Amino acid sequence: GQNIDQPTEMTATEGAIVQINCTYQTSGFNGLFWYQQHAGEAPTFLSYNVLDGLEEKGRFSSFLSRSKGYSYLLLKELQMKDSASYLCAVTHYGQNFVFGPGTRLSVLP
Amino acid sequence: EAGVVQSPRYKIIEKKQPVAFWCNPISGHNTLYWYRQNLGQGPELLIRYENEEAVDDSQLPKDRFSAERLKGVDSTLKIQPAELGDSAVYLCASSLTFGQEEETQYFGPGTRLLVL
Repeated sequence: GQNIDQPTEMTATEGAIVQINCTYQTSGFNGLFWYQQHAGEAPTFLSYNVLDGLEEKGRFSSFLSRSKGYSYLLLKELQMKDSASYLCAVTHYGQNFVFGPGTRLSVLP
Repeated sequence: EAGVVQSPRYKIIEKKQPVAFWCNPISGHNTLYWYRQNLGQGPELLIRYENEEAVDDSQLPKDRFSAERLKGVDSTLKIQPAELGDSAVYLCASSLTFGQEEETQYFGPGTRLLVL
């Protein structure tokens, strides 16, 4: 199987920066996705990384290190609406998406 | 552009009853996925279709679950008979194809199933 690890829960303050980590098995790696899921809603696509480095999209950035099997999602200038679960999903050659368990982020005023 | 459409949004049934979920993917998306998501967990793949062909159904409990994607567009997922442990959210997703960024999946709103 493909083990994907994420912290279960995180808490941060409005306006702050938070980093959500994801680790995965490196063998056959073919891409990593981050999704946001608000309670009771479907996951929505945030970012895709296949090469090492940082991808920036406004307040959200995603980093990948393929050799370390490690990614993080960086959220800046946190807003209350960022309270959600953040899912890391990894693809391996010839295999399906595998989602991690998700990290539940709570943004406090 | 319309997103992935699913119905019904909610379903409550008694155990041993049948239930069916319907999905209409984004137009032009060849790949369709059915996932099950339990509370506090990530989605787990049940079946993946490439056009009308089920290319991966290894995680589908075939004794009670079945799926079809006629004409390679809409899809139906059925459970018969339902068990208490089937209570979950059933998500449908679609992507352009299978492979790298084209594999970005777009999800429907899901069907929340409660089996009593």
